[in-house]
Amino acid sequence: DTEVTQTPKHLVMGMTNKKSLKCEQHMGHRAMYWYKQKAKKPPELMFVYSYEKLSINESVPSRFSPECPNSSLLNLHLHALQPEDSALYLCASSRASSYNSPLHFGNGTRLTVT
Amino acid sequence: GIQVEQSPPDLILQEGANSTLRCNFSDSVNNLQWFHQNPWGQLINLFYIPSGTKQNGRLSATTVATERYSLLYISSSQTTDSGVYFCAVGGGADGLTFGKGTHLIIQP
Repeated sequence: DTEVTQTPKHLVMGMTNKKSLKCEQHMGHRAMYWYKQKAKKPPELMFVYSYEKLSINESVPSRFSPECPNSSLLNLHLHALQPEDSALYLCASSRASSYNSPLHFGNGTRLTVT
Repeated sequence: GIQVEQSPPDLILQEGANSTLRCNFSDSVNNLQWFHQNPWGQLINLFYIPSGTKQNGRLSATTVATERYSLLYISSSQTTDSGVYFCAVGGGADGLTFGKGTHLIIQP
């Protein structure tokens, strides 16, 4: 069982919909991440939060909007997505982003944009 | 940015065989991790190994930081070892850069 919990597991949305992906961890980690993974490709970093502050945004389109309400929760708000945004969205956490510690992933949300 | 190359890209083995997966990286790093992604998409952290050697059951890993490579050894393969093995590195900045992975198939 993973200690990083993501909901929902699957999501189908239209291009005009607004939806949110949720991620939760209770390991006391202070860094949380969103990665995007297309089929047969490696995960690509989207956002990094460190101590609830956005520290890295890898030039992600504004239709993806991250939010870190507290040190245990991470959301990804989705609006006006395109079919090419269909992918597996992975949340991860680590002790802290500026320290080198193991990254723990959730099971992901498989997103399909129609 | 740091370049990460993994080899081989694909590997098919019989159950019980041993294998060695390689990860080369282009710059010095102080963070290197190996992950296994199973056919259901779950990414499991196998090793955090910026240098040295570690072992966990049938798996072991060695990183030679001065020569910029890491090796993952799988002994006595089982069908549950199938999946994609990723090496990911970071040079002190936030986040990790993933290699393209080695797709391993273990046949019964």
